[in-house]
Amino acid sequence: AQSVTQPDIHITVSEGASLELRCNYSYGATPYLFWYVQSPGQGLQLLLKYFSGDTLVQGIKGFEAEFKRSQSSFNLRKPSVHWSDAAEYFCAVGVNTGFQKLVFGTGTRLLVSP
Amino acid sequence: DVKVTQSSRYLVKRTGEKVFLECVQDMDHENMFWYRQDPGLGLRLIYFSYDVKMKEKGDIPEGYSVSREKKERFSLILESASTNQTSMYLCASSRQGFDGELFFGEGSRLTVL
Repeated sequence: AQSVTQPDIHITVSEGASLELRCNYSYGATPYLFWYVQSPGQGLQLLLKYFSGDTLVQGIKGFEAEFKRSQSSFNLRKPSVHWSDAAEYFCAVGVNTGFQKLVFGTGTRLLVSP
Repeated sequence: DVKVTQSSRYLVKRTGEKVFLECVQDMDHENMFWYRQDPGLGLRLIYFSYDVKMKEKGDIPEGYSVSREKKERFSLILESASTNQTSMYLCASSRQGFDGELFFGEGSRLTVL
């Protein structure tokens, strides 16, 4: 079955430091991969997506992610974290089960320390 | 600005009550979704609708039903609420076809006592 694993439940990063959030997926076919962010009290917002082509994708708010097929990974990165980046981040894989849907990971909560 | 609006941000209901969660989108999207969000479990799909009056079960449809009488509105119904349905419910919409971009509402936090 399709699944997404986000091994880190919480991560704390100092403001200005770099960030990497891990995501591993399990899916038999070529995956469609996504990162969403949920700020406190808000719904989810799409950060970036990978369908095909260049394995390094750029998103909004200065985020990027790299697809590595050999590692079944799609890690999210940002070179310098801002306090406003504190939020919960969800990785998702798009699957076709008769209709298209997203399977989400369990999320990683990012805390930013001053 | 595109918007998905969930009518109730916070609800408290008693076991056995019938609960309606309403969602309206103003983007003329064909697809609408109801997810449930629980700590440590992420988001799980309850139901999905790809057109008016059409619906598909998601991963956890038991105890829920849905209604889509108009394109812009998608309702989630708990016929007889139970305490294990205490959760955050998120509505989302997307364009026809699959580009993976879901637009989410702010969520409805339901507590069943």
